[in-house]
Amino acid sequence: GQQVMQIPQYQHVQEGEDFTTYCNSSTTLSNIQWYKQRPGGHPVFLIQLVKSGEVKKQKRLTFQFGEAKKNSSLHITATQTTDVGTYFCAGQSGTASKLTFGTGTRLQVTL
Amino acid sequence: ETGVTQTPRHLVMGMTNKKSLKCEQHLGHNAMYWYKQSAKKPLELMFVYNFKEQTENNSVPSRFSPECPNSSHLFLHLHTLQPEDSALYLCASRKAGQGRDEQFFGPGTRLTVL
Repeated sequence: GQQVMQIPQYQHVQEGEDFTTYCNSSTTLSNIQWYKQRPGGHPVFLIQLVKSGEVKKQKRLTFQFGEAKKNSSLHITATQTTDVGTYFCAGQSGTASKLTFGTGTRLQVTL
Repeated sequence: ETGVTQTPRHLVMGMTNKKSLKCEQHLGHNAMYWYKQSAKKPLELMFVYNFKEQTENNSVPSRFSPECPNSSHLFLHLHTLQPEDSALYLCASRKAGQGRDEQFFGPGTRLTVL
């Protein structure tokens, strides 16, 4: 079955440093979504990427979808303590109603 | 608040108990999902319902039994669970066919099986 891996599993940065998480799918995706889950919370949708090579920005967050539509990345510039949480990518292929979530990257930010 | 509510928020049950988890969405969505989230594991899709019809059962053991009486409500009936079933159970919903496929998650039910 489809697998979606993320690296790193965990990253600890100091506030102001940049952060990147990478997502790789075993199969070609029709689109990829990113979610953030704060500690003790539930996943919250951040963005969806559909086109090959697509790049989208949300303030300090930059999302990229690979040319082959099998990988994606999330880059956060100048992290803040509010960025703490686990970031999940989720790939969609085949059945539109089914998402396969990645393994997640837990981000810790300290002052 | 995302418009998806789940009750109870916490549940402790013995292996011989029968309990049910409830999910309700107030967003007018037509697809609903059950996920299991264990410590240090990715979100595992359990069941998908589209327009009240089950369209996905991700090889879930029969001790988990879903029910979707209408597009707004989703239940997960639990019986004779095992300690390894302890996890956060998340419900999500989605509006299919509008070009955006984002899922809206409820706060989850933290289940502990003794």
